[in-house]
Amino acid sequence: IAGITQAPTSQILAAGRRMTLRCTQDMRHNAMYWYRQDLGLGLRLIHYSNTAGTTGKGEVPDGYSVSRANTDDFPLTLASAVPSQTSVYFCASSGSPGNSPLHFGNGTRLTVT
Amino acid sequence: QKEVEQNSGPLSVPEGAIASLNCTYSDRGSQSFFWYRQYSGKSPELIMFIYSNGDKEDGRFTAQLNKASQYVSLLIRDSQPSDSATYLCAVWDSNSGYALNFGKGTSLLVTP
Repeated sequence: IAGITQAPTSQILAAGRRMTLRCTQDMRHNAMYWYRQDLGLGLRLIHYSNTAGTTGKGEVPDGYSVSRANTDDFPLTLASAVPSQTSVYFCASSGSPGNSPLHFGNGTRLTVT
Repeated sequence: QKEVEQNSGPLSVPEGAIASLNCTYSDRGSQSFFWYRQYSGKSPELIMFIYSNGDKEDGRFTAQLNKASQYVSLLIRDSQPSDSATYLCAVWDSNSGYALNFGKGTSLLVTP
């Protein structure tokens, strides 16, 4: 089934631990994104990548890093998790940044204790 | 960060009525506008996009865009209980070209 796959679906993580959220798309989209969604704050962009090999910072990048080694994969890493990173994380992709809609994965619910 | 404003609701409409959801945005250069539906605990799902001033219809959904007033709306005709969800308005940031800015969403409740 074409689309975006995120893993894990949910995770409870101790503060200070390192965690990588995985995201894979099979739509051959150039652009990929990571958003976090928090109650009352809506969807906020963490990092983005317009094409393989390039990445950029969004609105709330601190504490997160990304890489884009190929077109399909866009992992998000929390180097040392903190409770404020408790959130639902959505990976998304777009065929043409600035014009085309985003397509979202099913999300990862992360709880940092 | 460009502003995308929506009334949080909840907007309650009876089954069969027209639901009207509104969104204003601050970025005058924006050219692409989207409506997403998000059920509780699920991911956002694209339901409409509009690029030109005027109306665009797709089934029971109509998107309306007025760039001069920086206003985009979504009408849902013959509302059904299954339409109960949060509706997110999204606007591409014209300066950065990389950020799709989302409103915080309007919660819609369709009552039988």
